[in-house]
Order: sequence, then structure tokens, then C-alpha cells
Amino acid sequence: GAGVSQSPSNKVTEKGKDVELRCDPISGHTALYWYRQRLGQGLEFLIYFQGNSAPDKSGLPSDRFSAERTGESVSTLTIQRTQQEDSAVYLCASSLGGAVAFFGQGTRLTVV
Amino acid sequence: LAKTTQPISMDSYEGQEVNITCSHNNIATNDYITWYQQFPSQGPRFIIQGYKTKVTNEVASLFIPADRKSSTLSLPRVSLSDTAVYYCLVGDSNYQLIWGAGTKLIIKP
Repeated sequence: GAGVSQSPSNKVTEKGKDVELRCDPISGHTALYWYRQRLGQGLEFLIYFQGNSAPDKSGLPSDRFSAERTGESVSTLTIQRTQQEDSAVYLCASSLGGAVAFFGQGTRLTVV
Repeated sequence: LAKTTQPISMDSYEGQEVNITCSHNNIATNDYITWYQQFPSQGPRFIIQGYKTKVTNEVASLFIPADRKSSTLSLPRVSLSDTAVYYCLVGDSNYQLIWGAGTKLIIKP
């Protein structure tokens, strides 16, 4: 597609529920990244995919967080048993190899 | 992994040139310097990237001294729409970049 697309744009969920966030990267981009951004703060790295393998999962904050990627296409970030501290904007980016990353608009997650 | 230090906030006026300086004392030989811009409720957007000396594109210029321990993003003739947060990042791979809080730039009429 023309840019990185994320869905949903907003998600309100009850504490304890599972949520799934989706990212459609730019077509042909081999690398895909997930970040979390809390209000007024910089981006916090979560996970990086090269193709459908994840060389670096070091940023995932707990085992409640997981991510998958299908080939060099769609990725989903799943948060199980959501907690209020999971409330943030989740950003996805993609790049062609190690080139400049292009970001989506993000998914604003609110856990109530 | 190189960390960066940049001002928390800056103010300027429409039509002025704005310079935002970033320090990165621990920059490594393979590291590039990259600047992103972020508007509220949007993902960051790439502005400019450089390795040494000066880089210029249609949006901004990036000045990097010989020791590469700092860099300056220069925005010519800013407008109200340049109000945003600007991030300075140093690294040789996207996923290793450390994102600080950035510089909140406010442009006044």
C-alpha cells in the first residue's frame, strides 16, 4: 500500500481482556517494528521482524505480549490479560532492509 | 547504544530559522544521525539523515561537526505547521535506536 496502515485506530478494552492490534506494512518492506509510546514520552521499542522471523524480541515488556508476522506482510501484536499500564499508543513501522523507517498512525489503546 | 540529549522544548516565531542541537557523545563509527518529526496523534515522520558534514533536503539541513559528538537540525523560515516534537536518533539499525522525549517546538504567530 501507499503507507503503513494500522488497525484499529482506537481501542477501548476492559482490564483482563485480550486485544489484537494489526499492522499492514508498505509493500516490499522486509523489516517491521513495533513500538509503544506513552503520553508525552518517546518511543519504546517492542519487537523487530526481518521477514517473518523476529531477531529481537527484547523489548516485549512481559509474556502477556506477543507478535507474529506472515511472510513479509501483515503483523499482529497481541496483548493478553490487558492491564491499565498497557494503555498507550502502539506504533508500527516498516523499512526496506535497514533504510529509513516509515510509521503508521498508531493504535491508541485504553484499558479501563 | 548511543543516547542523545536535546532540549525539552523551544519556542520561535513564524518566518524565523530554528536550530535544534542534539548531543551524542558516545556515537559509534557506524552510527548515522537521524531526525524525525511527530505531530500529535500521528506516527513519527522522517526528516533527514546524515553521517558527517552537512546534509540538505527540501525540508531541513543537518549540520554535523567533524567529531560527530553533536548535530544541529536547521529548519528555515518556520511556519505554524512546524509545531511538533522533533527527535534526534543515533544508530546503525532502526530497531536499536533509542528514542528520548524529543524537543517540543512551538511556533508562534
